[in-house]
Amino acid sequence: GAGVSQTPSNKVTEKGKYVELRCDPISGHTALYWYRQSLGQGPEFLIYFQGTGAADDSGLPNDRFFAVRPEGSVSTLKIQRTERGDSAVYLCASSLNGQLGYTFGSGTRLTVV
Amino acid sequence: AQTVTQSQPEMSVQEAETVTLSCTYDTSESNYYLFWYKQPPSRQMILVIRQEAYKQQNATENRFSVNFQKAAKSFSLKISDSQLGDTAMYFCAFMPWTGNQFYFGTGTSLTVIP
Repeated sequence: GAGVSQTPSNKVTEKGKYVELRCDPISGHTALYWYRQSLGQGPEFLIYFQGTGAADDSGLPNDRFFAVRPEGSVSTLKIQRTERGDSAVYLCASSLNGQLGYTFGSGTRLTVV
Repeated sequence: AQTVTQSQPEMSVQEAETVTLSCTYDTSESNYYLFWYKQPPSRQMILVIRQEAYKQQNATENRFSVNFQKAAKSFSLKISDSQLGDTAMYFCAFMPWTGNQFYFGTGTSLTVIP
């Protein structure tokens, strides 16, 4: 596609529920990244994929967070047993060459009530 | 660990004037990249300008330019001829040489006043 697409744009869920956030990167971009942006903060790194594999998942806060990219294109960020502290904007980005910068999507705003 | 500091939470500028946003960073690496990203209310992070640390020449993109002081670990953004569309959050970001990850500052909210 022309840009990085993230769905849904907004998601409200109840504490303890499971959520999935989807990212559709730019066609042909081999690298895909997930970031989390809490209110009033800059984005923080969660995970980086090169192709189908997670090259670096050191930013995932705990084992309730998991991400996949089974065919090297679309990625899904999965959060189990959501907590109110998970409320944030989740940004996805993709690149061909990360050193030139990434193209970001518009994010999913997750609200846990 | 890399850290990025933006000490100006909010700034404003009159339309057509010039404004400078500050950024400092801390790293032990010698080669890296620095970026400024703009985030309007749409939430999408938009690349404004990029600087390679091994290049002494300051990057320029139309009305946007940087003042990169490697020894001082300073990377400020200058916006000339400010336009209403420049109103947004601006984030300074550090990227290691590998290009695998950004470290962002906390942002500066810029308002351009008509």
